Amino acid sequence: GENVEQHPSTLSVQEGDSAVIKCTYSDSASNYFPWYKQELGKGPQLIIDIRSNVGEKKDQRIAVTLNKTAKHFSLHITETQPEDSAVYFCAAIGLAGGTSYGKLTFGQGTILTVHP
Amino acid sequence: DGGITQSPKYLFRKEGQNVTLSCEQNLNHDAMYWYRQDPGQGLRLIYYSQIVNDFQKGDIAEGYSVSREKKESFPLTVTSAQKNPTAFYLCASSPVFSYNEQFFGPGTRLTVL
Repeated sequence: GENVEQHPSTLSVQEGDSAVIKCTYSDSASNYFPWYKQELGKGPQLIIDIRSNVGEKKDQRIAVTLNKTAKHFSLHITETQPEDSAVYFCAAIGLAGGTSYGKLTFGQGTILTVHP
Repeated sequence: DGGITQSPKYLFRKEGQNVTLSCEQNLNHDAMYWYRQDPGQGLRLIYYSQIVNDFQKGDIAEGYSVSREKKESFPLTVTSAQKNPTAFYLCASSPVFSYNEQFFGPGTRLTVL
């Protein structure tokens, strides 16, 4: 089955700095890669996603890049704000016919702290 | 207001007791999922249901059971056979079972005393 590794486990930045979180995956059949933000005591919320036919996607201060050859993808947050502080999870889902089809496999999570 | 609701938010049970966690969605989604979250770990899939009256085991199904008798409901029972039941449980749904976004509920924190 799929295995997703996420780094770093904690990340501390100053307000206005950039933050980068990296993930690698094992199943070359994976083709959908969402990023979720989880605030304390709440369920995860999708913040951005990318599919395997796209190398980069941007939404305001958030961007995601995907390198299918190397099997890794990254989340980039620019001009960080204190409200960006949360736990961020990467995940992967595979194509039909594969063992990870339809099932999200999550990374271990990154605790991001943005200091004012 | 469309969404996924989980109740209760906090649940306490004595060791050896079965407990059922509720998950309801009014998004008209076919697929529903249960995940378990432990501190410092990602979410792990317990059970999933592609469509009503159907469900399959996920990666950590031992000690859990589910039912899917109605499209909008997917309750999870944590049985006494689950060795470490204390965790944060998250329910999710997606329009169809495929490679697309899953929408999460607010979660239920279960503590077994």
